[in-house]
Amino acid sequence: DVKVTQSSRYLVKRTGEKVFLECVQDMDHENMFWYRQDPGLGLRLIYFSYDVKMKEKGDIPEGYSVSREKKERFSLILESASTNQTSMYLCASSSQALNTEAFFGQGTRLTVV
Amino acid sequence: AQSVTQLDSQVPVFEEAPVELRCNYSSSVSVYLFWYVQYPNQGLQLLLKYLSGSTLVESINGFEAEFNKSQTSFHLRKPSVHISDTAEYFCAVSVGGSARQLTFGSGTQLTVLP
Repeated sequence: DVKVTQSSRYLVKRTGEKVFLECVQDMDHENMFWYRQDPGLGLRLIYFSYDVKMKEKGDIPEGYSVSREKKERFSLILESASTNQTSMYLCASSSQALNTEAFFGQGTRLTVV
Repeated sequence: AQSVTQLDSQVPVFEEAPVELRCNYSSSVSVYLFWYVQYPNQGLQLLLKYLSGSTLVESINGFEAEFNKSQTSFHLRKPSVHISDTAEYFCAVSVGGSARQLTFGSGTQLTVLP
């Protein structure tokens, strides 16, 4: 069974803290994604990676960075957390092959106080 | 760039009634279309997808969606809903067939009432 695992289900951090959200997939997928989910806005793409050490900005990259040192792991970094980054964060992965869908993790609900 | 519009943010419906969740997309090129479902406190799961061939696609739990190119729509339907169908449903479009360029709609909360 395919699996995308996010390290935390719930996180509470203080404003200004550096925050790491970790995601691991066991499907040998080339593509990995970080989305942010907010009520009424659906899923918005923050960053994606199509290979180790490769990354591309999505629609809302400001305030975030990413790291992909190994194929199975994709980290989202909030350099200095702010209250407007309180949200649900979803990691996903997919194969480079055509006609494949993305597989999602369970999500991390981050609250910045 | 492609975009996806889900016209209804909330759809309440009684158990065993039919339901339609609407999805329209805009794209100047060929697209691939997906419906994902998110149950409370969970991630997204693929419900069904249209890639090519028959314009009517079905899921294992009774949902179906029809790709209508002229109306640029991919509405999701079920003839008789159950309480367990209560969830948020997301329509998504991919250009070029790869999930690399997946764009999501804003979601529709389906609530099935007893």
